[in-house]
Amino acid sequence: KNQVEQSPQSLIILEGKNCTLQCNYTVSPFSNLRWYKQDTGRGPVSLTIMTFSENTKSNGRYTATLDADTKQSSLHITASQLSDSASYICVVNTGFQKLVFGTGTRLLVSP
Amino acid sequence: NAGVTQTPKFRVLKTGQSMTLLCAQDMNHEYMYWYRQDPGMGLRLIHYSVGEGTTAKGEVPDGYNVSRLKKQNFLLGLESAAPSQTSVYFCASSYSGRQSSYEQYFGPGTRLTVT
Repeated sequence: KNQVEQSPQSLIILEGKNCTLQCNYTVSPFSNLRWYKQDTGRGPVSLTIMTFSENTKSNGRYTATLDADTKQSSLHITASQLSDSASYICVVNTGFQKLVFGTGTRLLVSP
Repeated sequence: NAGVTQTPKFRVLKTGQSMTLLCAQDMNHEYMYWYRQDPGMGLRLIHYSVGEGTTAKGEVPDGYNVSRLKKQNFLLGLESAAPSQTSVYFCASSYSGRQSSYEQYFGPGTRLTVT
């Protein structure tokens, strides 16, 4: 069964600190992996998309990594800001826009 | 561009009532999707459309119907609402599925409660 598992489920960090969110997937076939940010009461917004040949991709203070061999990905947030408080969802595309969603990590950045 | 919009934002239904959720996009996207998001679960695909006049079933289609009469609109209907359909519904759109790297853009969601 195609699954995307994320850890931790929730996380609280102080403003200005760094954090790393984890994603493990057992999805086949694999086309690409995406990280989305979902603010409370809003729809998900894409942060990064990586194919199997890409190891790292950055979007400002967000850096995603992908290890296609171990089927693991991480999202690193640098110098966190209050506006980073949100749920972060790992999503694997199996091809032709068929997406398998993780349950997300809820991040709270505290002042 | 407004992107993807959804109406209504909130709705409360009684069991057995019907309603239609409207999704509109102004990006000229071919593909459109309806998802539901429940606590502790990832988003799940209900129905999708690969073009005007076409629809297809997703992962959890039972109890829902859809129509895509115009390219920019995708309607989700509940014929006889059940409490199990209490959820947050998201519409999304993208260019065709031929390029898997195409982004899916999500609407703001509709929070539906069925009592």
